[in-house]
Amino acid sequence: RKEVEQDPGPFNVPEGATVAFNCTYSNSASQSFFWYRQDCRKEPKLLMSVYSSGNEDGRFTAQLNRASQYISLLIRDSKLSDSATYLCVVPFYGQNFVFGPGTRLSVLP
Amino acid sequence: DGGITQSPKYLFRKEGQNVTLSCEQNLNHDAMYWYRQDPGQGLRLIYYSQIVNDFQKGDIAEGYSVSREKKESFPLTVTSAQKNPTAFYLCASSPAENYGYTFGSGTRLTVV
Repeated sequence: RKEVEQDPGPFNVPEGATVAFNCTYSNSASQSFFWYRQDCRKEPKLLMSVYSSGNEDGRFTAQLNRASQYISLLIRDSKLSDSATYLCVVPFYGQNFVFGPGTRLSVLP
Repeated sequence: DGGITQSPKYLFRKEGQNVTLSCEQNLNHDAMYWYRQDPGQGLRLIYYSQIVNDFQKGDIAEGYSVSREKKESFPLTVTSAQKNPTAFYLCASSPAENYGYTFGSGTRLTVV
């Protein structure tokens, strides 16, 4: 089993839709998790941190299910500017993070 | 403002040539990392350093070398031994365990 797996996508959704991505991880000892956003040909930027059961920031909600070893990212009321690749990041062996392959989202007008 | 600076933004390398990518941070972060990203793929760890004068190999260290002589600087050398160096290279730093990374804007390396 790969260390971090994500919904392959791409997700093509209309503006205003609600969309959710899933990410599964293999290291049950991981304590903190992150969602990054990466625009085309740019560096990843931190979107949300998840330290306990979940986190909410405006239209974005991240949920953590430790028993099933997955985290999800929910985006409500999608905007055109939300179009990007979303990377799930899980720490392994202390301070090293493993990045998932990413899920690409296209929000259509 | 604090941040991570990578240079150059674009770099062209001839076959058999070594090139060095610069990464400088003024965030006072202890840990620094180098990742490689190929088109349509995820990030893969090349090298990382958690303290000055110490660094460890990541998943794809072959053909690369690094140094960490100063806390602020973590340059990456792509040697001629790296057979397929064309990629997007990202440098990152973090203050401590369980904190997210801050990334530089990346260097696009192309072999010509």
